[in-house]
Amino acid sequence: GIQVEQSPPDLILQEGANSTLRCNFSDSVNNLQWFHQNPWGQLINLFYIPSGTKQNGRLSATTVATERYSLLYISSSQTTDSGVYFCAVERKGSNYQLIWGAGTKLIIKP
Amino acid sequence: NAGVTQTPKFQVLKTGQSMTLQCAQDMNHEYMSWYRQDPGMGLRLIHYSVGAGITDQGEVPNGYNVSRSTTEDFPLRLLSAAPSQTSVYFCATHRGLDYGYTFGSGTRLTVV
Repeated sequence: GIQVEQSPPDLILQEGANSTLRCNFSDSVNNLQWFHQNPWGQLINLFYIPSGTKQNGRLSATTVATERYSLLYISSSQTTDSGVYFCAVERKGSNYQLIWGAGTKLIIKP
Repeated sequence: NAGVTQTPKFQVLKTGQSMTLQCAQDMNHEYMSWYRQDPGMGLRLIHYSVGAGITDQGEVPNGYNVSRSTTEDFPLRLLSAAPSQTSVYFCATHRGLDYGYTFGSGTRLTVV
């Protein structure tokens, strides 16, 4: 099956720093999403981005489908950005099955 | 607009007991699914449904049953709980291809 690898596994930053999270996937996809799981366990959909670039405030994401990777950028980090960031993909022809990476645990220190 | 509602939020079961986790959505989405999340891992698909009356197995279906009698509801049944089913369970909906998923707030289940 399709493999989804996220890096780095852990990231500790000071408030105000910028960060880049990476997601590599091993097959063609028709759906790629980035999620933030906050310390209370809630999953927040950040981006639906099977290709191209999107921006939402301090967050932006880029997916290069031909090279099978996606990047999530967080600028001017705030303590509320802490949590785990997941990349999840739906392989073409897989019929609605999201395959998840193991996540990047981000800690923003004040 | 509640989105996706899961109940209960927490549950403790004894080995061998059965129970049903409830999931309801008010987004009129055809596609619903159940995932489990074990500590330090991403989510894994248990079962999914592409519409009322249609369900299929995901990656880890053993020990779980589902049914989809209405568009709004997609309950997950544990037939005979085992400690290996201790996990956080998430229900999700989406409109279909080319759309993002929306997740409920999760049910934390402990089997002792």
